[in-house]
Amino acid sequence: DVKVTQSSRYLVKRTGEKVFLECVQDMDHENMFWYRQDPGLGLRLIYFSYDVKMKEKGDIPEGYSVSREKKERFSLILESASTNQTSMYLCASSLLPGQGIYGYTFGSGTRLTVV
Amino acid sequence: AQSVTQLDSQVPVFEEAPVELRCNYSSSVSVYLFWYVQYPNQGLQLLLKYLSGSTLVESINGFEAEFNKSQTSFHLRKPSVHISDTAEYFCAVSSRGATNKLIFGTGTLLAVQP
Repeated sequence: DVKVTQSSRYLVKRTGEKVFLECVQDMDHENMFWYRQDPGLGLRLIYFSYDVKMKEKGDIPEGYSVSREKKERFSLILESASTNQTSMYLCASSLLPGQGIYGYTFGSGTRLTVV
Repeated sequence: AQSVTQLDSQVPVFEEAPVELRCNYSSSVSVYLFWYVQYPNQGLQLLLKYLSGSTLVESINGFEAEFNKSQTSFHLRKPSVHISDTAEYFCAVSSRGATNKLIFGTGTLLAVQP
């Protein structure tokens, strides 16, 4: 089974800190995604990447950046954390189209609290 | 642009009763459709998907969903629910395009009561 691992289940950070959320997948997937999940809003796409060093903005990229230096790792960076970034963050990966549509495989999530 | 609507934010139901979770989508192109389930304190897991062919798709734990192109719907059903089905369910759509990007609905919490 494909496994997507997020490095932390729970994080508490202070306002203004630089925060790194790490995600690693072990099945050679090209696509990787970062979502945030908030009650009543569902999942909203922050950034995605379809190849090493490639990235595209999702629907809510403001206040975030990403890094993909290796195929298996996709990092989400909060440059200066704010309280409105308190949320559940979900990482996912998938194969490219044309290689079969299997949907996404998700990590278990990181619940970030900014105080 | 694509969008997904899950009108019911919460559906309470008694154990062994039938349930339907509604999902409607909008898209100008052909789509793939998915249902994901999220159990408490976990990530999302793929429950079932429609890619092409038969419009009725089934999961291994008794859920089914039917793709209705004319009504742009992909409702999820189960004839008899268990306590263990309590979870949040997300409908998602992806266009048959290059980015393989999923658009999710806002989710429906299925609360099964004894």
